[in-house]
Order: sequence, then C-alpha cells, then structure tokens
Amino acid sequence: GDSVTQMEGPVTLSEEAFLTINCTYTATGYPSLFWYVQYPGEGLQLLLKATKADDKGSNKGFEATYRKETTSFHLEKGSVQVSDSAVYFCALSRRDSNYQLIWGAGTKLIIKP
Amino acid sequence: GAGVSQSPSNKVTEKGKDVELRCDPISGHTALYWYRQSLGQGLEFLIYFQGNSAPDKSGLPSDRFSAERTGGSVSTLTIQRTQQEDSAVYLCASSLNQGLSYEQYFGPGTRLTVT
Repeated sequence: GDSVTQMEGPVTLSEEAFLTINCTYTATGYPSLFWYVQYPGEGLQLLLKATKADDKGSNKGFEATYRKETTSFHLEKGSVQVSDSAVYFCALSRRDSNYQLIWGAGTKLIIKP
Repeated sequence: GAGVSQSPSNKVTEKGKDVELRCDPISGHTALYWYRQSLGQGLEFLIYFQGNSAPDKSGLPSDRFSAERTGGSVSTLTIQRTQQEDSAVYLCASSLNQGLSYEQYFGPGTRLTVT
C-alpha cells in the first residue's frame, strides 16, 4: 500500500539556518504530495502542495519539489525563524483512493534564537 | 469565510461510555474526512464522506466506531463503549474535490481522553 517516510525529529536549528526535512513516498500511479504544518496548540494547516512530477510548491519561504525519479518531496527553507518551530507532516493522496491523505510520522522542528 | 469547526474541543469520558464528536465542514465542501491523531499511531484515516454517503469506511478501527453525515453538511463520529486506546485527537477535514481543488482543510480537533 501507499506510504510516506519522513526524517525523524526533533530537528534543532539556530535562527537563519538552512532547513531540509526529507520525505520519500511509495505509491502507485501519480499521487499528489503535500506538506502540512501544526504549530503548537493549533490545528493542521496546508503549507504547500505539488500535483505532478517536477512541480514546485512554495509558501512562506518554504519550497518542495516533486521528484518522481527519487520518489521524494523534501521540504526546504533558506533561513528559518523562531516562528517556524512546529511539527511538519508530509502526506500524499490519490484520486482512486478518494484523496484520503496518507501521512508521514511528522518531524518536530525547533528553532533556537 | 468560516473554516471547519469541531465540538467539543475536549472530552473526558469514562471507559465504557459512548461519545459523539461533531464536525461542521466549510460550506459547499462536498467531501468530508475523519482522521485520528495519537502518539503511538500518528495520523490515521478513519472515514470519508461524499455528500451524505460514506463510500470508504476502511479506516474505522472497530465496529464500536460509526459516523454519519446529514444534509451534506454536519457529520457526527460516534464511539460506543469507549476504551482507553480510543484516547486521541479526532480531526475532521473538508474538501471540494472538484477539478484541481482537492486539498483538505482541517478543523482544530477534539481531544478525547478515556479514563
């Protein structure tokens, strides 16, 4: 079945550091890929998405590129801020699974000033 | 406009009692999903509604779990004879699922604690 694997956390960085959170997936066909973020005490928010190979999703300085050849969707940000501290979830969905989201385990990101 | 709302935000119940969790999706969203977030299992799909019908109930963990949706809008997730392993945050999401608009928007969740 479909699955998503993302790097375990917590990931601890200093402010203004470069961020990469790795995400790889296993799926039949052509899934859509997502990054969701959960800030402390808040609900899940869609951060960015990509629907086909080589698409780049971007939002709030975060980017991720849909790489079909490596089945990856790594999240990157050039300069993180303390306010980026949150849990980040990689997920996929497919039309023939009614677009239900298949989730990675989540990566907790801690940014120190 | 209004987002997805869920009630109650917190629920503490005794083992063996029944609970009902409510979800109000974004107006006009025909698709509705329930997920569960727990420490041991991460985020898990429970059930999917398209309109009032539930073509995919594959994620419901046991027959103690059921859900319904009425008027193509509000959904209720019911857990009968709650067990301690049911303790989790129950999340509801809605989506248009039309054309290219199929991203899901989540409510704040209901934190269920079974004592």
